[in-house]
This record gives sequence, structure tokens and C-alpha cells, in this order.
Amino acid sequence: RKEVEQDPGPFNVPEGATVAFNCTYSNSASQSFFWYRQDCRKEPKLLMSVYSSGNEDGRFTAQLNRASQYISLLIRDSKLSDSATYLCVVTYSSASKIIFGSGTRLSIRP
Amino acid sequence: DAGVIQSPRHEVTEMGQEVTLRCKPISGHNSLFWYRQTMMRGLELLIYFNNNVPIDDSGMPEDRFSAKMPNASFSTLKIQPSEPRDSAVYFCASSSTGSGNTIYFGEGSWLTVV
Repeated sequence: RKEVEQDPGPFNVPEGATVAFNCTYSNSASQSFFWYRQDCRKEPKLLMSVYSSGNEDGRFTAQLNRASQYISLLIRDSKLSDSATYLCVVTYSSASKIIFGSGTRLSIRP
Repeated sequence: DAGVIQSPRHEVTEMGQEVTLRCKPISGHNSLFWYRQTMMRGLELLIYFNNNVPIDDSGMPEDRFSAKMPNASFSTLKIQPSEPRDSAVYFCASSSTGSGNTIYFGEGSWLTVV
């Protein structure tokens, strides 16, 4: 079993829809969590950190469930520009171990 | 502020040739990472440096790959001899505890070995 798992998708949703996807992790010692976004032929870029209490940034909401060992990303009122691959990242003990998920592809259609 | 700078951006080389990829991390960052990304295998960590010292090189595929970080502002990833299966995008990234362990990526070096 992979340490960090994501549904590869693709998720194909209409513009304006709400879409959510999860990322599960296997090591309960995980400390920090992030969502990154990667556009086609570009580098991954930080979308948002994930805090224990959950956090929101505009149309994006990230949540952490330590008991069930998953993080989630919710996108409301999706835009065409949200089409990308979303990577979850889990770190252990400062920066000594950082694991990227394989990514979830999201495609927003007009 | 300058981000992570990688060179070359694109390289096409013949099998058997030596390839050297270069990276300049963000100033003040004390951790540096080399990743490889392919469609089949996704994003793989090759090696991680902390304060210029290699901490984890378990992801380096084989002896043909080597990485160095002679100082805090420069790192190289070398492949010798290169093979077609090394074709991938190679990302360098850096982070610091001051940035909350957020990793910042360079734009990548797109390598094609023919």
C-alpha cells in the first residue's frame, strides 16, 4: 500500500459545480499536510496548507481527519481555470520525509 | 524574489552521454530536493539535502545517478551514462523551516535521451 494515496481521476465536472476529493495517508505520525496544484507541463505549486481545524481560501476548503487519516479538498463554484492535477503532500518530522501523492486530475468543462 | 532556478530547461541528448542538471535554491532555504516526474511513475523523490548534506538518497535509481551540493546556493544532478528510460522532467525544490516546510519547485529540466 502506498504511503499517500489519491484517486487519479479524472474528475470531469461542469463549470460552477462543487467537487471534492480525498487523499489518504498510512502513517499516523504525519505532521504537516498540503495541497499542491500542477498545471500541464508546469511545476507543482502550493495551493494551500491543511490545518487541523480545517481552513478555507476563497472557493477552496481543506480539511484534515486525523482519526481516519485523510485530508480533503473541496472546490466550490468551479472555474475552467481550476482544471489541473491536485497533489496532496504529507510530511513527517520537519522536512526529513515528504511524500507526494500521485495526484488527482480535475477537468472543468464549460 | 527569485524562485528556484534550474538549468537547462530542456535537453535532448544521445544515449550514453553525460547529463548535468543544475539548481539554485531560494536564498536562505536549507533543504534541497531533486524529484523526477514521469507519466508512469508520477513524482519521485530522488535525493534530499539538508544544510548541504545528503540526508536521504534512497530514491536515486542506480549508480548512474549522482548529486552534489557543494554550497548552499548550488546543486547538481548528474546522470552518466544516460539511458532512454531516464527521459523525464527533473524538478529541483527547496524549503526551510521558516517557510513552514513549504516546498517551492523550480520550473523543471525536461530531459529526453534518444
